[in-house]
Amino acid sequence: DTAVSQTPKYLVTQMGNDKSIKCEQNLGHDTMYWYKQDSKKFLKIMFSYNNKELIINETVPNRFSPKSPDKAHLNLHINSLELGDSAVYFCASSPGGPDTQYFGPGTRLTVL
Amino acid sequence: GEDVEQSLFLSVREGDSSVINCTYTDSSSTYLYWYKQEPGAGLQLLTYIFSNMDMKQDQRLTVLLNKKDKHLSLRIADTQTGDSAIYFCAETANDYKLSFGAGTTVTVRA
Repeated sequence: DTAVSQTPKYLVTQMGNDKSIKCEQNLGHDTMYWYKQDSKKFLKIMFSYNNKELIINETVPNRFSPKSPDKAHLNLHINSLELGDSAVYFCASSPGGPDTQYFGPGTRLTVL
Repeated sequence: GEDVEQSLFLSVREGDSSVINCTYTDSSSTYLYWYKQEPGAGLQLLTYIFSNMDMKQDQRLTVLLNKKDKHLSLRIADTQTGDSAIYFCAETANDYKLSFGAGTTVTVRA
């Protein structure tokens, strides 16, 4: 069973469109995260949710809106996509606090 | 990450040991991690060390932590071609976010 899964794996879309990436974890963890990895492989946290509540928002444009319908899911919705949004987006989960984070396989978003 | 630094590239001969170095600035770091990313794949947790430890060994992997110098290293013994990947150092303090280094690309040559 996949611990942290993301869909889709690849997403190609036009500038200005709205898209969503879904993430699910079956580890029973309380905390979930979204990270962005740019073309230079630099990884930076975007958001973190603990028990469905937002606890970290790292100055991400408000075009990005995370949604956590329950503890096991953290979806990322992006409005008005821009070229600079092209990246690989990773979801992760952890039991909470400074504990080990487990990553999903990533979603490669390409904005044309 | 601006708080975590790594050298960008390492080339090693198959069978030799690889040593990847990392420095961090946050003195309140509690956990330090090494993640591996193979081409086109996600991040795989390799190992981690608590800040009150100096060393951790796990099969071919040895992690050394010098807390005074804020220096972390990962040694891979008997490096194999399957070890070719990007290795990320990461740290977290008593909060919820991981800060990553820029990654070290390790190339194993025959």
